[in-house]
Amino acid sequence: DAGVTQSPTHLIKTRGQQVTLRCSPKSGHDTVSWYQQALGQGPQFIFQYYEEEERQRGNFPDRFSGHQFPNYSSELNVNALLLGDSALYLCASSLGQGYQPQHFGDGTRLSIL
Amino acid sequence: GDSVTQMEGPVTLSEEAFLTINCTYTATGYPSLFWYVQYPGEGLQLLLKATKADDKGSNKGFEATYRKETTSFHLEKGSVQVSDSAVYFCALPLAGGTSYGKLTFGQGTILTVHP
Repeated sequence: DAGVTQSPTHLIKTRGQQVTLRCSPKSGHDTVSWYQQALGQGPQFIFQYYEEEERQRGNFPDRFSGHQFPNYSSELNVNALLLGDSALYLCASSLGQGYQPQHFGDGTRLSIL
Repeated sequence: GDSVTQMEGPVTLSEEAFLTINCTYTATGYPSLFWYVQYPGEGLQLLLKATKADDKGSNKGFEATYRKETTSFHLEKGSVQVSDSAVYFCALPLAGGTSYGKLTFGQGTILTVHP
């Protein structure tokens, strides 16, 4: 039984570019949340997707957007990249919009040059 | 707003030593509280949880008690092993979210255990 899988594992971009990160939830899960973890910090909630809609959002600008597909997989898009966007991006999945514990993937390390 | 504060600075212990990592929280009402662990190069794993005041969560020898009087949820283990070396995060769900969703995390405590 595969857990949460994220791709790519590492990514290097330059300022101003756009990036798309992908997440496949654990089998049987229908809710996907995204977190940003800066170096040496705890993860910060970006947003949560359920039934293909953004249900909750943290304190992140509109440059951060997402999508959930009918198979429950999800993408995180970041436009106009800034140096401060360098971080580990974690995807977490759960069942039923957060009424069960979240399972985290290993993350995508994004570096902005 | 809801928040979590963990003890600052890394913790370095010898194998079989006693571990305490402090966590205090500020929240509306009495949310569930969690400890997550992050091993090098991996994502976060739920270590233990407590869903109401005076609950004790436990797993893999780790324990934490939900203390509403002191708004604390300190993590303890009686005898640490080298394999416990990791980063530990205290967390709670933000107000307006579901019981496990929209988590807010402390800044993390790095634990290093030497043989």
